[in-house]
Amino acid sequence: SAVISQKPSRDICQRGTSLTIQCQVDSQVTMMFWYRQQPGQSLTLIATANQGSEATYESGFVIDKFPISRPNLTFSTLTVSNMSPEDSSIYLCSVEDAPGRSNTGELFFGEGSRLTVL
Amino acid sequence: AQTVTQSQPEMSVQEAETVTLSCTYDTSESDYYLFWYKQPPSRQMILVIRQEAYKQQNATENRFSVNFQKAAKSFSLKISDSQLGDAAMYFCAYRTLNYGGATNKLIFGTGTLLAVQP
Repeated sequence: SAVISQKPSRDICQRGTSLTIQCQVDSQVTMMFWYRQQPGQSLTLIATANQGSEATYESGFVIDKFPISRPNLTFSTLTVSNMSPEDSSIYLCSVEDAPGRSNTGELFFGEGSRLTVL
Repeated sequence: AQTVTQSQPEMSVQEAETVTLSCTYDTSESDYYLFWYKQPPSRQMILVIRQEAYKQQNATENRFSVNFQKAAKSFSLKISDSQLGDAAMYFCAYRTLNYGGATNKLIFGTGTLLAVQP
């Protein structure tokens, strides 16, 4: 199974600033997903990031607010831009194991990045 | 669009007893995956159990088992011999089996917070 590291683990940010979250995977994966979990809520998909193509954003999420990079098969970043208190959430990176390694449909998750915006 | 519903925001069980968490879903597809994920206070999402829709046999993983009723679109989780370490938020999740595009995302229910009483 893939092992995922996210940085930062947590941060306190000022309104109007931007923060970039990094997601590093210990193996090459095709599909990477970024989820948001607002306090006490379920997980909502922000976007799907595949290497070599533009990220695909879900309804309600836009590239200007949540730009994503996917420079290679083991790394991705999510930036939360011009933050407001409503952006206070846990942001989770998840991946699907590479084809040929498993075919379980399971997604593996990082430990998440808890952002608090003041 | 697919949806996942968990009607029990909170549940409580005595240590060593059995508890069942409910989940229903809505889809027009015939092939898909269903999952139960556990999220302890550490935030790490951990897969508890998975079920492929084409398999009639209910999945089991040690003390965890599911009751999968495809026609009723129901997917409940039974935890036997509950332990203190089982205390966590449990999310039911759905994923289409058809790879490709944004439809391959993992869709989560709202979660059930399980407390285990000593």
